[in-house]
Order: sequence, then C-alpha cells, then structure tokens
Amino acid sequence: DQQVKQNSPSLSVQEGRISILNCDYTNSMFDYFLWYKKYPAEGPTFLISISSIKDKNEDGRFTVFLNKSAKHLSLHIVPSQPGDSAVYFCAASITGTASKLTFGTGTRLQVTL
Amino acid sequence: EAGVVQSPRYKIIEKKQPVAFWCNPISGHNTLYWYLQNLGQGPELLIRYENEEAVDDSQLPKDRFSAERLKGVDSTLKIQPAELGDSAVYLCASSPGQGWQEQYFGPGTRLTVT
Repeated sequence: DQQVKQNSPSLSVQEGRISILNCDYTNSMFDYFLWYKKYPAEGPTFLISISSIKDKNEDGRFTVFLNKSAKHLSLHIVPSQPGDSAVYFCAASITGTASKLTFGTGTRLQVTL
Repeated sequence: EAGVVQSPRYKIIEKKQPVAFWCNPISGHNTLYWYLQNLGQGPELLIRYENEEAVDDSQLPKDRFSAERLKGVDSTLKIQPAELGDSAVYLCASSPGQGWQEQYFGPGTRLTVT
C-alpha cells in the first residue's frame, strides 16, 4: 500500500523554465511534508518542507504547494538549472509519531541546456 | 560541520555470508535511523534509535537483521545470513532529536549479494 505516490518517474525540462514535480498521498493523518533531492551515489538531501497549516512555502528558487483537500503537493523550481538534475523524493510524516517519514518512489528530473 | 558518515560505501558478498554496516551520525544528533532503499523505490525505515534505545524496529526483519547503537553515538547494522533479496542501498540518517522532522542522510552503503 503506497501511501505517498509520485506518478511521474521522470521529467525533462529546459534550463530556465519551470519544473513542477507532483506528489499525492492517501493518508489524511499526514501533516508534514518534505522534499529531498538525491544525486547518484549520494544520500538524499533535505530541500524544503511544509506543514499542513500552510498551503505554500518558498525558499529561493524552490516553492512547495500543498492542497490538503486533494491530498496533493507539488514542488516548483524556477528557474530550472542543470545542477537541479537529480531524483526528487516526496516524503510525509505525522507530527507526534517521532518523525517517521514515508517516502514516494521518486521523480528523476533532467534539466537540459 | 561533518555530515553523516557511513562505511563501507560498497560491499559485495556471497549469499549466506554475514555483513555489517557502520554509521556515525552528525555530532549532537540524538536520533538515528537506518533505511533500506531498493532500486526505483524510496527509502523505507528499518529502525529508529533515540540515543541508545531502539524505539521503532517494527520493520526490521529480526530473523536475520540486527542493529545496535552502543553509547548512543555510532551504530552498526548487521545481516546474517545475507540473501539475494538483501541487495539494496542501506542508508543511515540522523536528526537532532525526537519531534525534529528533517532528517539528514549519509551516502549509503550499496550491498550486492551474489
């Protein structure tokens, strides 16, 4: 039972354009969401997070949007850069459950020149 | 500040052999996690420690997997005996303490069982 789903295994975007990565979840108890970026042969690196009390969180070129009614979140990268090419994982947790993260399967982003 | 350190980075063993992975978390981080990542999947939690206590090991296959975190700092994850299906990346992560949502990952150990 996949509680966090990233239905697009890959995405290709031109440099300078917007990248939009999507994530859906099924467990309505999730109230904290995180995005991680992973380069080959490295561990995931924390990128940005959002609490369910917000619908948007922004950090530089990265913005995460949360739609609780649709159980959907998205990560926007503007403008996309070649160094953003990586696998992006969405993760969710329930506050009070000691930070147990449930990850999606990842989306491979390729930013082309 | 040094990140999470893991060793070895790569390990190839024959099935039925034992194997051990080591993790040193970020200094001062009380919470330590071991994750398993299969190809094309996201990380899945195996065990979580708060200091030296294993507080969530519900996903750890205890018939062949064991872990310890003596003195509440570094940790070892062991598999004995290894099976072909254990081939995966084993990730260690740490966070400052209980309730801290963001976790910081090491580079992982890629295990290949032949």
